[in-house]
Amino acid sequence: DTEVTQTPKHLVMGMTNKKSLKCEQHMGHRAMYWYKQKAKKPPELMFVYSYEKLSINESVPSRFSPECPNSSLLNLHLHALQPEDSALYLCASSQVGEKLFFGSGTQLSVL
Amino acid sequence: DAKTTQPNSMESNEEEPVHLPCNHSTISGTDYIHWYRQLPSQGPEYVIHGLTSNVNNRMASLAIAEDRKSSTLILHRATLRDAAVYYCTLSGTYKYIFGTGTRLKVLA
Repeated sequence: DTEVTQTPKHLVMGMTNKKSLKCEQHMGHRAMYWYKQKAKKPPELMFVYSYEKLSINESVPSRFSPECPNSSLLNLHLHALQPEDSALYLCASSQVGEKLFFGSGTQLSVL
Repeated sequence: DAKTTQPNSMESNEEEPVHLPCNHSTISGTDYIHWYRQLPSQGPEYVIHGLTSNVNNRMASLAIAEDRKSSTLILHRATLRDAAVYYCTLSGTYKYIFGTGTRLKVLA
């Protein structure tokens, strides 16, 4: 199994809602990542978890809250988002220092 | 963080080789050079990576300059399925920073 599975594929939420994005991999990878991608732009790194601990937070606003419950799962909790947060949110995983495997992403629209 | 610079777009005829350049003049000695490509409505897909030596795999070849300040991704025979955005990426242990990408158009 070389897949990274992200759910949901699409999400529409209001600015007062709370929602969560989920990511799962069963490749035994110990590093997991959240990226944000705006249309026609490259992916931007948000968070990195290594061995289930937060290793990198790229100065992401606190309305985005990551969580890594175990080595296979990664969540991104969303609260009080702004319309400019609308984007494709990509999850990736890797062995430490090796190539990234990406999911297909969650297309988020904030109204 | 070191950055990469790529041309915005390139075109190639089908069945011909394609050379996609990337400049990374501020690369550090421990940064790996990765290439990913992204098709519409999909996440990026790994293509190839290297540190100092040229690398080959079934998808492509990676030529790395001796001073490591630039690299070139080589697709030996472009097909219509190779039309995508190609990203040159520098990676530390956990930090993978994507360049602006080159949109490759393959002409039939």
